[in-house]
Amino acid sequence: NAGVMQNPRHLVRRRGQEARLRCSPMKGHSHVYWYRQLPEEGLKFMVYLQKENIIDESGMPKERFSAEFPKEGPSILRIQQVVRGDSAAYFCASSPLQGQRYEKLFFGSGTQLSVL
Amino acid sequence: DQQVKQNSPSLSVQEGRISILNCDYTNSMFDYFLWYKKYPAEGPTFLISISSIKDKNEDGRFTVFLNKSAKHLSLHIVPSQPGDSAVYFCAATGGGSEKLVFGKGTKLTVNP
Repeated sequence: NAGVMQNPRHLVRRRGQEARLRCSPMKGHSHVYWYRQLPEEGLKFMVYLQKENIIDESGMPKERFSAEFPKEGPSILRIQQVVRGDSAAYFCASSPLQGQRYEKLFFGSGTQLSVL
Repeated sequence: DQQVKQNSPSLSVQEGRISILNCDYTNSMFDYFLWYKKYPAEGPTFLISISSIKDKNEDGRFTVFLNKSAKHLSLHIVPSQPGDSAVYFCAATGGGSEKLVFGKGTKLTVNP
């Protein structure tokens, strides 16, 4: 059973370009979470999605950031017009259950986004 | 506003000794606490958790203690092993939230 797969592992973008980060949850998992880790910081919640639904996006910046988890295919975190401050490690996590069963929450290895 | 604080960025211990990692929180709504372990270039992995109705939870070499009145928890690793060298994150949640709030992490180095 493959773990949570994130790609690419490393992504380099120039200021103003778009970044697309992909996350394939573990088989049988229908709940996806995105977290961001800025340098020297802890992970910060961005968004929680179920298939075709955004459940909680309270951690998402108001502009330029969007996320989706379609019925088929991976979850996508999209950052438009990237700026240097977007440089961070972006982690996806998946769970088979809704909430409060964090022992079943599995993280991917992350995508390191570098904005030049 | 940092709701979960890990005030020690790093900790170094000798193999076989006890490692104690500390975590403080400020949000009274938190009722569930977790520790994650993270190796370089990997995602965090769940280590151990504790509910606010308990003050101690033990799993093998790992024990988490919770002091609700002090809003403080600690992770004890006994005996420490070189393979335990990693960054340890304290996380908290509560109030029915789906979010985990993480501390900045403590880098543990266990010397052979």
